[in-house]
Amino acid sequence: EPEVTQTPSHQVTQMGQEVILRCVPISNHLYFYWYRQILGQKVEFLVSFYNNEISEKSEIFDDQFSVERPDGSNFTLKIRSTKLEDSAMYFCASSRRDRGGLGGELFFGEGSRLTVL
Amino acid sequence: GQSLEQPSEVTAVEGAIVQINCTYQTSGFYGLSWYQQHDGGAPTFLSYNALDGLEETGRFSSFLSRSDSYGYLLLQELQMKDSASYFCAVRDTLTGGGNKLTFGTGTQLKVEL
Repeated sequence: EPEVTQTPSHQVTQMGQEVILRCVPISNHLYFYWYRQILGQKVEFLVSFYNNEISEKSEIFDDQFSVERPDGSNFTLKIRSTKLEDSAMYFCASSRRDRGGLGGELFFGEGSRLTVL
Repeated sequence: GQSLEQPSEVTAVEGAIVQINCTYQTSGFYGLSWYQQHDGGAPTFLSYNALDGLEETGRFSSFLSRSDSYGYLLLQELQMKDSASYFCAVRDTLTGGGNKLTFGTGTQLKVEL
């Protein structure tokens, strides 16, 4: 069964450092997302990406964040200068086009745990 | 702003039936989903309601009342493996045809023997 894969599973970094989190979405999906979850809290939307551009982003997704699809398979989230409050689990997700696909269904990866010291 | 409220914790015994409620206030509404999450792992999709009524998928059912801004997830014949966090999530936009979701606060379900 196809799945979303994420690397690294855990990254520890110093405050102010740049971090890149990587994701390989399911191959025939067209929509890609990053969500984050601070320990013990709810899952929060960061950004959605379609047709090689950002389609929507939340207030959390400020200028320190960027996303890129550098080739046909990878989808990356970059945090330019990490802060302590960026410590969280970052989930990548993908979905099919709505028409003909199941509404409301996102396929999540296992997440990348980011710890900022 | 967006708000989805759920009970923080529910406890039930194996074999029982449990209902997890979700009330929402969102700027847009195009459907209510439910996700299961074990121990902080990947959230996995359980069900989706776009229209009022009950949707049944095996042991799990989900209900929606758009006029009441309310839905619930019903889990029957509870098993120990059902112990997990359950999140409701609203699809609040149709921008680009994607599935941007706003998640609820989550309910920790504990199934006991």
